[in-house]
Amino acid sequence: AQRVTQPEKLLSVFKGAPVELKCNYSYSGSPELFWYVQYSRQRLQLLLRHISRESIKGFTADLNKGETSFHLKKPFAQEEDSAMYYCALGDFGNEKLTFGTGTRLTIIP
Amino acid sequence: DAGVTQSPTHLIKTRGQQVTLRCSPKSGHDTVSWYQQALGQGPQFIFQYYEEEERQRGNFPDRFSGHQFPNYSSELNVNALLLGDSALYLCASRQGVVGYGYTFGSGTRLTVV
Repeated sequence: AQRVTQPEKLLSVFKGAPVELKCNYSYSGSPELFWYVQYSRQRLQLLLRHISRESIKGFTADLNKGETSFHLKKPFAQEEDSAMYYCALGDFGNEKLTFGTGTRLTIIP
Repeated sequence: DAGVTQSPTHLIKTRGQQVTLRCSPKSGHDTVSWYQQALGQGPQFIFQYYEEEERQRGNFPDRFSGHQFPNYSSELNVNALLLGDSALYLCASRQGVVGYGYTFGSGTRLTVV
């Protein structure tokens, strides 16, 4: 069965400090991992996906198959990064996304 | 482009009633998925529609059913509502069956009393 675990419900970080949001997954096949973000009063939107190996808004995430992790990182937090972040796992063909419970990130000015 | 449009935005129903939620996908998208998001939880997959057929279904009872129309819009129907059905229902669309880039709607907040 697919499972995504985000161990931190809440995370507070000072502006300018590094950010790391943890995500661990369980999946028997070849995983497709995503990070989605939801800013205040906005809809859920795709932040980045592991297959693209891209950096969006300064965020990066590396898939570690050995540790079954896909942690989201940013070297210097900005106030506009405050939001709810969800890690998601796609099954074959990505017909179904399995989401974690989310981490609410608050950047302290 | 308005993106994914869902209606209504809020809804209050009584236990035992039936409800229909509607979704218009983003222009150019033909695949629609529905998710239930309970308070404090991540979205949970209900089912996906493509070419007017249900392609995959999550762990939801048969009380949850759906439909996709030729114009790709979709409906989610829930019968015999339970208090536990109270949640935010999200619609997500994309182009094609395989791929990425789901676009989510703002959701319908259903409250069952």
